Amino acid sequence: AQSVTQPDIHITVSEGASLELRCNYSYGATPYLFWYVQSPGQGLQLLLKYFSGDTLVQGIKGFEAEFKRSQSSFNLRKPSVHWSDAAEYFCAVGGGRNRDDKIIFGKGTRLHILP
Amino acid sequence: DAGVIQSPRHEVTEMGQEVTLRCKPISGHDYLFWYRQTMMRGLELLIYFNNNVPIDDSGMPEDRFSAKMPNASFSTLKIQPSEPRDSAVYFCASTPRQDWGNEQFFGPGTRLTVL
Repeated sequence: AQSVTQPDIHITVSEGASLELRCNYSYGATPYLFWYVQSPGQGLQLLLKYFSGDTLVQGIKGFEAEFKRSQSSFNLRKPSVHWSDAAEYFCAVGGGRNRDDKIIFGKGTRLHILP
Repeated sequence: DAGVIQSPRHEVTEMGQEVTLRCKPISGHDYLFWYRQTMMRGLELLIYFNNNVPIDDSGMPEDRFSAKMPNASFSTLKIQPSEPRDSAVYFCASTPRQDWGNEQFFGPGTRLTVL
């Protein structure tokens, strides 16, 4: 069965510092991989997704993620965070060649930004 | 477009009462999803519809939960009777076509508190 793990429940970084949020997945083939962001009081918004092709994916708001098949990982990165990036980030896995595989979300990583 | 609209944004009720959550998907989106978000279980897919027809309700926790989509622009999630453990944020999302690789567009959620 597919699964997704976000090992870090909370991450705190200083404004201007680099960021990496970890995501590990379990899936029988190459799945769709997503990162969504949830700002306080709002719904989730897609940052980026990967299915095939270049393993480094660019998203909105200056985020990128790298798919590493050998590590079953899809970590989210940003070179320099802004205070407005404080939010909760969700990695998700699903779809792929088996169209019956629904999307499963990780439990999220809450990002705190220090001024 | 106004995006996915949910109402109410907050609901506080007493145990045993009926609760109805409402959702208006983005116009032209054929697929509608209901999710529940809790600290313990994260974001869970409860049910989804295609062209107003329920496709998969395997995530609905028990018979106290029911969902309907009487037309393309309106869906409800009902809990009767409600229990304190139903307290959560309930999200509605929509997407234009069936592909789990598609971006899902989320509403702002309804925060339900059952006392």
